[in-house]
Amino acid sequence: AQKITQTQPGMFVQEKEAVTLDCTYDTSDQSYGLFWYKQPSSGEMIFLIYQGSYDEQNATEGRYSLNFQKARKSANLVISASQLGDSAMYFCAMRERQRSYNTDKLIFGTGTRLQVFP
Amino acid sequence: DAGVTQSPTHLIKTRGQQVTLRCSPKSGHDTVSWYQQALGQGPQFIFQYYEEEERQRGNFPDRFSGHQFPNYSSELNVNALLLGDSALYLCASSLLAGASNEQFFGPGTRLTVL
Repeated sequence: AQKITQTQPGMFVQEKEAVTLDCTYDTSDQSYGLFWYKQPSSGEMIFLIYQGSYDEQNATEGRYSLNFQKARKSANLVISASQLGDSAMYFCAMRERQRSYNTDKLIFGTGTRLQVFP
Repeated sequence: DAGVTQSPTHLIKTRGQQVTLRCSPKSGHDTVSWYQQALGQGPQFIFQYYEEEERQRGNFPDRFSGHQFPNYSSELNVNALLLGDSALYLCASSLLAGASNEQFFGPGTRLTVL
């Protein structure tokens, strides 16, 4: 079964510094996708970045980049130039495909709470 | 372009009651998935609807049921509520034949069972 592991329950970072949030995954599929979501205290899951297993380059979206190391099965999120508004829960997720209907579901990790201080 | 919307925002019920949560997908999306997020946990997949049929189901009892309407909106029904059903319920929409990275979530419905 597919599994996502986030080993950092909480992280602190000073404003304007970079921070790396760890994510490792386990799957026997050759084709898969990895997501990072941000969840503020309001509860909404905000999509940040996506990496496909066949993508040769690491994904980037503004201040977010994904450090994808396929052999190590890791997909760490790097946030550069942290801002106070980045304080939130961050979830790593993997897409699991059901081939019979060609539908996807997401498997989530337990999350990392990031706190940015001035 | 409206994103995923959910109603109600908050709900308080007592044990044994029944509840219905509603979701409207992002414009252009045809697939709706429901997730349950207990306090301090990551979301857990409940089920997914496409073409008004349940296409996938997670490890949830039959007390959890759903429906999808012709306009792609969806309902999640939970019968015989238990204290353990207290959680944030998230709806996600996507396009079945679309890009694999399109999974957009709504703001969630926070259910409290007393």
